[in-house]
Amino acid sequence: EIVLTQSPGILSLSPGERATLSCRASQNIGNFLAWYQQRPGQAPRLLIYDASNRATGIPARFSGSGSGTDFTLTISSLEPEDFAVYYCQQRSSLFTFGPGTRVDFK
Amino acid sequence: QVQLVQSGAEVKKPGASVKVSCKASGYTFTNYFVHWVRQAPGQGLEWVGLIDPTGGSASYAPKFRGRVTVTRDTSTNTVYMEISTLTSADTAVFYCARAHYGAIYDYWGQGTLVTVSS
Repeated sequence: EIVLTQSPGILSLSPGERATLSCRASQNIGNFLAWYQQRPGQAPRLLIYDASNRATGIPARFSGSGSGTDFTLTISSLEPEDFAVYYCQQRSSLFTFGPGTRVDFK
Repeated sequence: QVQLVQSGAEVKKPGASVKVSCKASGYTFTNYFVHWVRQAPGQGLEWVGLIDPTGGSASYAPKFRGRVTVTRDTSTNTVYMEISTLTSADTAVFYCARAHYGAIYDYWGQGTLVTVSS
């Protein structure tokens, strides 16, 4: 099973700051990585697919990069609604999610 | 617009079974796989299984194989997930999700809370 590791576990930032979230895969997954945002009490929402493609309707402040085993989600300038939990997910071999990174208000 | 509407919350006793539904609308049902994802209270997301609505073939995560059955009804555009032999560890919210390109979850249901308690 491919294991995804996310860091940091919690990221404490203020609105307007830049957020950099990391996801590392236990083996090469090419670019078969997606990022999801989950707000409390809501279903996850697709942000980025195939490592760097923004999903429909996702603001340009969200961007993804990486390939192979190391991936990054960047939020260029945090808006109040961006404080949430972010999960990465791979579809290279079966389907697994990372444990999540919580973006909290500092 | 694309919608996945799930059935309501369930409370079950240990050892019982539960069947959760996910009704799809706003798109051609047979064009997209549907997956199920579990989220235990305060925990992360875990893939449970999937179904190809065209032929009805299903696939499951190893830890759920033998205890979870995913089916579909093309006459009502509904996918079902049944879990047998429930334990308290199964208490979770279960989501269905439409899968683009195999497993890019572009639309999600609202979630169904299954509580297992004696």
